[in-house]
Formats: sequence, structure tokens, C-alpha cells
Amino acid sequence: DQQVKQNSPSLSVQEGRISILNCDYTNSMFDYFLWYKKYPAEGPTFLISISSIKDKNEDGRFTVFLNKSAKHLSLHIVPSQPGDSAVYFCAAQAGGGTSYGKLTFGQGTILTVHP
Amino acid sequence: DVKVTQSSRYLVKRTGEKVFLECVQDMDHENMFWYRQDPGLGLRLIYFSYDVKMKEKGDIPEGYSVSREKKERFSLILESASTNQTSMYLCASNLDSNYGYTFGSGTRLTVV
Repeated sequence: DQQVKQNSPSLSVQEGRISILNCDYTNSMFDYFLWYKKYPAEGPTFLISISSIKDKNEDGRFTVFLNKSAKHLSLHIVPSQPGDSAVYFCAAQAGGGTSYGKLTFGQGTILTVHP
Repeated sequence: DVKVTQSSRYLVKRTGEKVFLECVQDMDHENMFWYRQDPGLGLRLIYFSYDVKMKEKGDIPEGYSVSREKKERFSLILESASTNQTSMYLCASNLDSNYGYTFGSGTRLTVV
């Protein structure tokens, strides 16, 4: 069972416009959410995160929104740049002392930003 | 910056071979993780370790084992490689549960 789902395998956006990547989760124990970005032949790198006590977190061009009642989060990139073209993974963590920070990932969304 | 180093970027192995994938981190992180990445399936957790000699199964441990004899090194072992283990393997570590992961660059394994 896929506890974290990214239902859009790919997204194509024009440079300068907004990119919106979506993620849904099913496990109510998840209380911390992260987005990672991955270029080909490289490991994923951390982008932005949000705790379940918040509904929005901003870092420069990147904003993550969390809707707990809908079990949905989204990543907004404004303005999008060609260098943002990559695979984006949504990840979630359940709290508790024995979680060890273990992350559950979604399937990923390939973002392509056209010049 | 924390570094997580995976010893091989590309590997080609034959069916039935025993395969070792090595991962080393240099910042005294407690927890280490092995994932595989497959198109359409994302990253799936194979095994993780929260201390030396301590390990726990992830979501897809079948056909794999792990070893953590020293804090900085976490090895993934394919006991008898099969073609369905062809994948990108990613190692990650974190200081504790309050911190996100640092990933290695990955090992692309092809089993023929």
C-alpha cells in the first residue's frame, strides 16, 4: 500500500510561471513532511519541509502548503526556472521515538521547465 | 557538509552472484538507510540501521541483507543477485529523527 502518493508522473511548465506539485498521504501518524529534488545520476537533495503544526512554509521561490484534513500537501515554485527541471519526491515521517527519522517517499514527479 | 559516499557509481553483475554495496558517512550519524529507486515506484526502503550491529527491515527486505560493523559504514548485500534487483540504490543517513536525510550519489546496479 502506497502511503505517500504523487499522482502526476510529470509536469511541464514555461519558464517564469508557477509550478505546483501535489502529494497525498494516507497515514495519520505522519507529522513531518519534506520535499527532495533529484537530478539524474545524483542523490536526492533536501528542498523544504513542513511540520504538521503549520499549514505553510516558505523558502525563497519555494512554498509548501499542508492541508491536514485533506491529507494533502503541495509544493509551489515561483517563478520556475529551467534549472528547476528535476524529479521531485514528497516524503513523510511519523513521529515517535522508534521512527529514527525513517522517511516514506512518493513515486516522484518529473518537472520540466521550458525556456 | 556531511558526506555520504557510495563506493561504486555503476555495477554490472551476473545472476546468482553475491553483491556488496558499500556506503560510508563521515559525520557520526546514528541512523543509516538503504533505498532502491525504480520508475513509477519512487524510493522504497530496504533496510535501515539505528546503531552499530542493529538493523531493521524496511518495506522490501526480501533478497537483501545488511551489515553495520562500524558506525560510519553500512553495507547492503544481495545474497544471490536476480534480474529484478536491477535498480538505482541510494544510501542515506541522518543524525537522529529530528533531521532529514543526507543521500549518497547512488549506485546503478544492473544484473544480467
